[in-house]
Amino acid sequence: SQTIHQWPATLVQPVGSPLSLECTVEGTSNPNLYWYRQAAGRGLQLLFYSVGIGQISSEVPQNLSASRPQDRQFILSSKKLLLSDSGFYLCAWRGLAGPYEQYFGPGTRLTVT
Amino acid sequence: DAKTTQPNSMESNEEEPVHLPCNHSTISGTDYIHWYRQLPSQGPEYVIHGLTSNVNNRMASLAIAEDRKSSTLILHRATLRDAAVYYCILRDPNSNSGYALNFGKGTSLLVTP
Repeated sequence: SQTIHQWPATLVQPVGSPLSLECTVEGTSNPNLYWYRQAAGRGLQLLFYSVGIGQISSEVPQNLSASRPQDRQFILSSKKLLLSDSGFYLCAWRGLAGPYEQYFGPGTRLTVT
Repeated sequence: DAKTTQPNSMESNEEEPVHLPCNHSTISGTDYIHWYRQLPSQGPEYVIHGLTSNVNNRMASLAIAEDRKSSTLILHRATLRDAAVYYCILRDPNSNSGYALNFGKGTSLLVTP
């Protein structure tokens, strides 16, 4: 069966510090991968998606970046965090066999102070 | 993507059926209707999807209007664990954005004992 992992679960970082969030998927190959963010009291916002290794599409211009160094690994990064980067970050995957369902990880709750 | 309109919130009594409406008057012929739900402090969870015909699964039923301009997610017997935000999302599988989902604000369902 497929599983998706995200870490860390919670993170408190000062403004201006770097960020690295990691997501890995097990039990599937060549998935589409997604990063979403949910600010407090808001809906989910798509940040990045990837259809393959090294292929990243950005939906929202900002100080975040994403990379996919391996087939089942998706990394969200920032060189300098802003207060507005606080939120709940969710990674998701979609397999090629089932185009209708996205599966979400447990999320990382980031607080920028 | 075509826009969806959902009520901000709804309330139901436990063990009663719940009908969650979604309007999508600008839906295109190739848009699939998806429903996801998000429990507090968790990532979204796939519920059901459909194109034209009504659909049933172990979680819920999806009733789609004949003109496809609206749909209703039906929870047959609400439980306290069904309290969540429910999202109605349209998506064309032939779009070029890796089938990323555009989450709106959804409907916050409150279930009371």
